Amino acid sequence: GAGVSQTPSNKVTEKGKYVELRCDPISGHTALYWYRQSLGQGPEFLIYFQGTGAADDSGLPNDRFFAVRPEGSVSTLKIQRTERGDSAVYLCASSLGQGHGYTFGSGTWLTVV
Amino acid sequence: AQKVTQAQTEISVVEKEDVTLDCVYETRDTTYYLFWYKQPPSGELVFLIRRNSFDEQNEISGRYSWNFQKSTSSFNFTITASQVVDSAVYFCALSEGAQKLVFGQGTRLTINP
Repeated sequence: GAGVSQTPSNKVTEKGKYVELRCDPISGHTALYWYRQSLGQGPEFLIYFQGTGAADDSGLPNDRFFAVRPEGSVSTLKIQRTERGDSAVYLCASSLGQGHGYTFGSGTWLTVV
Repeated sequence: AQKVTQAQTEISVVEKEDVTLDCVYETRDTTYYLFWYKQPPSGELVFLIRRNSFDEQNEISGRYSWNFQKSTSSFNFTITASQVVDSAVYFCALSEGAQKLVFGQGTRLTINP
């Protein structure tokens, strides 16, 4: 597609539930990133994929968070046993790789009630 | 460790004034990239500029200009003749190679008519 697509744009879930957030990167972009942005803060890195593999998952806050990119294109961020503190905008970005810019999607606004 | 500091949390000016947004960074690498992004109320991060560490030339793009000074580890952003449409949150960010972006806390810029 022309840009990075994220679905859903908004998600409200109950505490303790499981959620999946989807990112469809720009076609041909081998690098894919997930960030989390809390209100009034800058985006914080979660995980980076190069192709199908997670090259750096050091930003995942705990083992309730997991992400996959099985075919090197679409990625899914999975959050188990959601907590109210997980409420934030989850941003996805893709890139051609080193030395190239990053294109961000519009984000998924997750609210845990 | 990488760190980006945007000391100005909020700036408010009257339309047509010039305004400079400050960004100071820390990194131990000699090769890195610096970015500015705009985040309007719609939430999407809009790419403005990328500069690599070996290119200290200042850049001008219309009303926007950037001053990169390695000696002071700063990458400041100036908007001349500001307009109401420039109102947004602006983020400075740093990356080393193809790795994650590290963002500053952002500066909320309000241009009053």
